[in-house]
Amino acid sequence: DAGVTQSPTHLIKTRGQQVTLRCSPISGHKSVSWYQQVLGQGPQFIFQYYEKEERGRGNFPDRFSARQFPNYSSELNVNALLLGDSALYLCASSRSGGPSNEQFFGPGTRLTVL
Amino acid sequence: AQKVTQAQTEISVVEKEDVTLDCVYETRDTTYYLFWYKQPPSGELVFLIRRNSFDEQNEISGRYSWNFQKSTSSFNFTITASQVVDSAVYFCALSESGGGADGLTFGKGTHLIIQP
Repeated sequence: DAGVTQSPTHLIKTRGQQVTLRCSPISGHKSVSWYQQVLGQGPQFIFQYYEKEERGRGNFPDRFSARQFPNYSSELNVNALLLGDSALYLCASSRSGGPSNEQFFGPGTRLTVL
Repeated sequence: AQKVTQAQTEISVVEKEDVTLDCVYETRDTTYYLFWYKQPPSGELVFLIRRNSFDEQNEISGRYSWNFQKSTSSFNFTITASQVVDSAVYFCALSESGGGADGLTFGKGTHLIIQP
């Protein structure tokens, strides 16, 4: 079975631009979570979606938004990019999204903001 | 608020040595879940183990073992007879069952270097 896939792999944007990152979960998984990992740090939780509904949100500004589609894939949008948004963005999927579920991570999208 | 501390930023050992990675957590919930993930240079986080707060039994999986002690809020990870392929960044993470975001709270990670 295919794992979690993310696109694109790398992305370079300039300050003020907008970006959309995409994620496809493991088949059968209905929950997708997004994390931001700045170099040298652990991943930080941004959003969780389950059955197309936002289930949780971390401490990120409103410039960050996401959605989940009927096929359970997801998009993360970031508006008005700042230099500090440069990071590895990880998507994780799980069967039901509960706190006990193992989350399986994709390879990430490396975003560089110039 | 929940918090995970991995005090060891980097550990370097010679192959075949045993090594223990420390993890200390803080939570107000009585039900919570602890995880370890491995992040090789490729960047993809690999799930290693999950433990719930009611199960303090130690676990062994091949060369890997985990020691969960609620009394000290610790969930340490030991690799026995380390190998070069074990080189990676290892993250400890916590998930609470009560309200909140339901996301994982990660520590800052321990960079493990196994030298041949």
